[in-house]
Amino acid sequence: GAGVSQSPSNKVTEKGKDVELRCDPISGHTALYWYRQSLGQGLEFLIYFQGNSAPDKSGLPSDRFSAERTGGSVSTLTIQRTQQEDSAVYLCASSPGPTGYTFGSGTRLTVV
Amino acid sequence: RKEVEQDPGPFNVPEGATVAFNCTYSNSASQSFFWYRQDCRKEPKLLMSVYSSGNEDGRFTAQLNRASQYISLLIRDSKLSDSATYLCVVIHRSNDYKLSFGAGTTVTVRA
Repeated sequence: GAGVSQSPSNKVTEKGKDVELRCDPISGHTALYWYRQSLGQGLEFLIYFQGNSAPDKSGLPSDRFSAERTGGSVSTLTIQRTQQEDSAVYLCASSPGPTGYTFGSGTRLTVV
Repeated sequence: RKEVEQDPGPFNVPEGATVAFNCTYSNSASQSFFWYRQDCRKEPKLLMSVYSSGNEDGRFTAQLNRASQYISLLIRDSKLSDSATYLCVVIHRSNDYKLSFGAGTTVTVRA
């Protein structure tokens, strides 16, 4: 596709359930980020994939969070045993290199 | 100290006014700089790259001051549609081209 695609666009889940968020980056983009943003707050870095390098997971807030990037393309962010404080917009961005990144429209996660 | 710092604002300006704000960065090895714009409840979108010699895109002017380690964004003849949060982004090669985001500067243009 022409842009970064994220799915689902909205997700409401019960506290304690696991969720999977998907990001389809622009084809050929080697760098991929996950961020999250709570209402009225700045972007919080979660994880960074760059080519075949080991991902930078330093932003993951707890061991309930994990992410994979298969074949250097699609990425999945998994949150286990969701908590209410996990409610946020989860944004994915990709880039072909050290240039401007393109963001997806995000997944709005609500934990009830 | 945060890698990238911005004045959060808000900057409230009348239509037609000029507004400018800065972003400071701490890593002198930073090599690429960008301004992103984020509208309420939307994803950030690239507004413009910032080049060493400074650059303009219509009513927007971006400048880089490496000696003092800051970049700036100036908006001339402000429009209501310029109301948004402006995010400063810095990339440095030593960090495997990892992005560093500022927390954003909010601009509100009033009629």
